[in-house]
Amino acid sequence: DAGVIQSPRHEVTEMGQEVTLRCKPISGHDYLFWYRQTMMRGLELLIYFNNNVPIDDSGMPEDRFSAKMPNASFSTLKIQPSEPRDSAVYFCASSLEDREGADTQYFGPGTRLTVL
Amino acid sequence: AQSVTQLDSQVPVFEEAPVELRCNYSSSVSVYLFWYVQYPNQGLQLLLKYLSGSTLVKGINGFEAEFNKSQTSFHLRKPSVHISDTAEYFCAVRIKKTSYDKVIFGPGTSLSVIP
Repeated sequence: DAGVIQSPRHEVTEMGQEVTLRCKPISGHDYLFWYRQTMMRGLELLIYFNNNVPIDDSGMPEDRFSAKMPNASFSTLKIQPSEPRDSAVYFCASSLEDREGADTQYFGPGTRLTVL
Repeated sequence: AQSVTQLDSQVPVFEEAPVELRCNYSSSVSVYLFWYVQYPNQGLQLLLKYLSGSTLVKGINGFEAEFNKSQTSFHLRKPSVHISDTAEYFCAVRIKKTSYDKVIFGPGTSLSVIP
């Protein structure tokens, strides 16, 4: 399997622009997670889906952020409008619920976002 | 509230020396415990996990961790580190109840192996 695929790997944009990050989870996985990582705040869970349904979006910082999962093989995280404080590495991860309930999350390589 | 604490933000250690990275969690219910490693410019990958049974868990790259329920700890150890072990290490806890299901990551510990 190719693993979790994220695009783009790097994104540089100007404040106020719309940014869309994309993720393709591992085939067959039923959970998908979006994380943000910064030096100041560490790794933060933004939102996660189970079977394409958003379960917990309490980590989404504000209304400028939105995430969708239209099907089992694709998800997007959108920031509109973007601000410099959104600069971070955004990770997508997927997992498959196992019988013991201790799913391993498989992380993508991340998208490094810089908002100027 | 549930939380994960990694007491050491940075751990420098000489090559071939032993290392222990500490992790403590707070939860009133049973949890699943994980250690992930992040190499520079990469995503996280699983080192090991504790589900149940034996409290000593062995993972990849010679790492192991011991679950201590009374101390709510899950410390990671390696008897002899290599330069290639230089990375960020994250402890994580999955808490699953009827109305609550969440994975919480600790703040991470940066391990630097000195030649």
